Amino acid sequence: DVKVTQSSRYLVKRTGEKVFLECVQDMDHENMFWYRQDPGLGLRLIYFSYDVKMKEKGDIPEGYSVSREKKERFSLILESASTNQTSMYLCASRRPVIVTGELFFGEGSRLTVL
Amino acid sequence: GQQLNQSPQSMFIQEGEDVSMNCTSSSIFNTWLWYKQEPGEGPVLLIALYKAGELTSNGRLTAQFGITRKDSFLNISASIPSDVGIYFCAGQGDTNAGKSTFGDGTTLTVKP
Repeated sequence: DVKVTQSSRYLVKRTGEKVFLECVQDMDHENMFWYRQDPGLGLRLIYFSYDVKMKEKGDIPEGYSVSREKKERFSLILESASTNQTSMYLCASRRPVIVTGELFFGEGSRLTVL
Repeated sequence: GQQLNQSPQSMFIQEGEDVSMNCTSSSIFNTWLWYKQEPGEGPVLLIALYKAGELTSNGRLTAQFGITRKDSFLNISASIPSDVGIYFCAGQGDTNAGKSTFGDGTTLTVKP
């Protein structure tokens, strides 16, 4: 069974803290994505990666960075968390788009910044 | 970035009723995908559409890829309580490196 695993389901952090959200997939997918989900705003793309060591900004990259040192792992980093980054974060992976468009999502990480 | 307009934003229906939701875009897409997100879970693909005019069914679900390639709809027939969730459309094109653009979602509530 294919799986995308996010390291933490719930996190509570303080303003200014550095936050790491980890995502691991076991499907040998080349593409990985980080989305942010807020009520009424759908899923907004933060960053994505086509392959190891590669990264591209999505629609809302400000305040975030990413790391992809291994094919199976894609990390989202909040260098200095702020209250407006309180949200649900979803990781997803996919084969290259010429093969399929289907995204496989993790269960999400709900981050609260106090 | 590209914008998708998904409607309705929410629906409250009785069990057994049919449901219809749609997405429209100002941009052309090569692929339309419909996802369902249940509480506490990530979205899961329901139906994928790859050709303009394509009509695809998956059980009680039917989706169509609009002929203009700028819209898609999803119908659910004879709704049941487990249909509850948030439904997202997503469009995908050759531009923007195949990124999926998501609609804002339709929250479906089914009363038994």
